[in-house]
Amino acid sequence: NAGVTQTPKFRILKIGQSMTLQCAQDMNHNYMYWYRQDPGMGLKLIYYSVGAGITDKGEVPNGYNVSRSTTEDFPLRLELAAPSQTSVYFCASSELDRGLYEQYFGPGTRLTVT
Amino acid sequence: AQSVAQPEDQVNVAEGNPLTVKCTYSVSGNPYLFWYVQYPNRGLQFLLKYITGDNLVKGSYGFEAEFNKSQTSFHLKKPSALVSDSALYFCAVLNADSGTYKYIFGTGTRLKVLA
Repeated sequence: NAGVTQTPKFRILKIGQSMTLQCAQDMNHNYMYWYRQDPGMGLKLIYYSVGAGITDKGEVPNGYNVSRSTTEDFPLRLELAAPSQTSVYFCASSELDRGLYEQYFGPGTRLTVT
Repeated sequence: AQSVAQPEDQVNVAEGNPLTVKCTYSVSGNPYLFWYVQYPNRGLQFLLKYITGDNLVKGSYGFEAEFNKSQTSFHLKKPSALVSDSALYFCAVLNADSGTYKYIFGTGTRLKVLA
């Protein structure tokens, strides 16, 4: 199993550009999450999904959008990038319905907006 | 509001000495508690969890943690630290009764094990 994969690893965006961060998992987990990690701030939840077709906002959703058309994929879309979105982004999955409460994290995408 | 506190930004310990990384939580329902470790430029890796049962839980790499309901704490411990344990550690909580499926993370504690 590859686990949770994320692409790209690094990206530099200009202000106002848009991009999609890709996340995929091959563990058949229903629950998927997007976090951003800023220095000294821990992890902040952006969006999450409890299954294909179902998404909901987390703590810091502004400026982002998600979709979940399949169990495996959970892309995060940034529209009109702003310097405040410079961060490291992590995707994670878990399977609460089967009692696997721990989360599995991808390696992260380091995004810089200039 | 639900929250997790890791009161120490950094913990320094000599190799071979016991280590403790502190975590306290605040949730309105039953807590499911987790510890994760993050090495530089990597994602978080699961170490251990408390869901129910024995208050002392054992996890990967010789780490253990004790759930203390009265003190709302879940401190991470290891009897003998290794230099390779140096990393960033995160405590997290899931409110099992909330039905929201959202994990709350602490701000992290950097552990430095000195040779």
